[in-house]
Amino acid sequence: DAGVIQSPRHEVTEMGQEVTLRCKPISGHDYLFWYRQTMMRGLELLIYFNNNVPIDDSGMPEDRFSAKMPNASFSTLKIQPSEPRDSAVYFCASSSSGTPNFGPGTRLTVT
Amino acid sequence: GENVEQHPSTLSVQEGDSAVIKCTYSDSASNYFPWYKQELGKGPQLIIDIRSNVGEKKDQRIAVTLNKTAKHFSLHITETQPEDSAVYFCAASIGGNNRLAFGKGNQVVVIP
Repeated sequence: DAGVIQSPRHEVTEMGQEVTLRCKPISGHDYLFWYRQTMMRGLELLIYFNNNVPIDDSGMPEDRFSAKMPNASFSTLKIQPSEPRDSAVYFCASSSSGTPNFGPGTRLTVT
Repeated sequence: GENVEQHPSTLSVQEGDSAVIKCTYSDSASNYFPWYKQELGKGPQLIIDIRSNVGEKKDQRIAVTLNKTAKHFSLHITETQPEDSAVYFCAASIGGNNRLAFGKGNQVVVIP
């Protein structure tokens, strides 16, 4: 089992640019979560899907953030336009029981 | 909503000693409490979990205890080793659903 796969692992972009983070969940898992981790706020749940359907997006900070899950093996988190305060590590996680299995994360730096 | 607090924020222990990390939660409907270990540059990894119908669970050198009345649960690591050095996160389910609220994390440093 390859675990949750995220790409890219590191992203550096300039303010105002569009950023797309990608995730491949563990095969057979029907829940997918997007988290953001910062020193100040810790781990925050942004959005989660069940069977490719968004269930709760109340953690998405604002309209600049959007997430999609077009099929069971792929999800994206998009930030447009990006701002310096979006700099963080973004984790994708998947589960079949509700206990998230985390990917390695994408470290995003917005300058 | 659920609020999860972890104490202490940093813990240093001598190799071979025990380490205890405590978490408190606010939502009495929470019924699932996992602990994660995060090493530098990696995602959090589940190490042990407990459900509200159980008071204690053990897996080799790690154990978790739950006090539902007081709304707190603790992670116990015995015979600590340098590879136990990491950030440990506790979490609590938000009500009975699939969302988790995470604590801010504890940095554990095991001194050889």
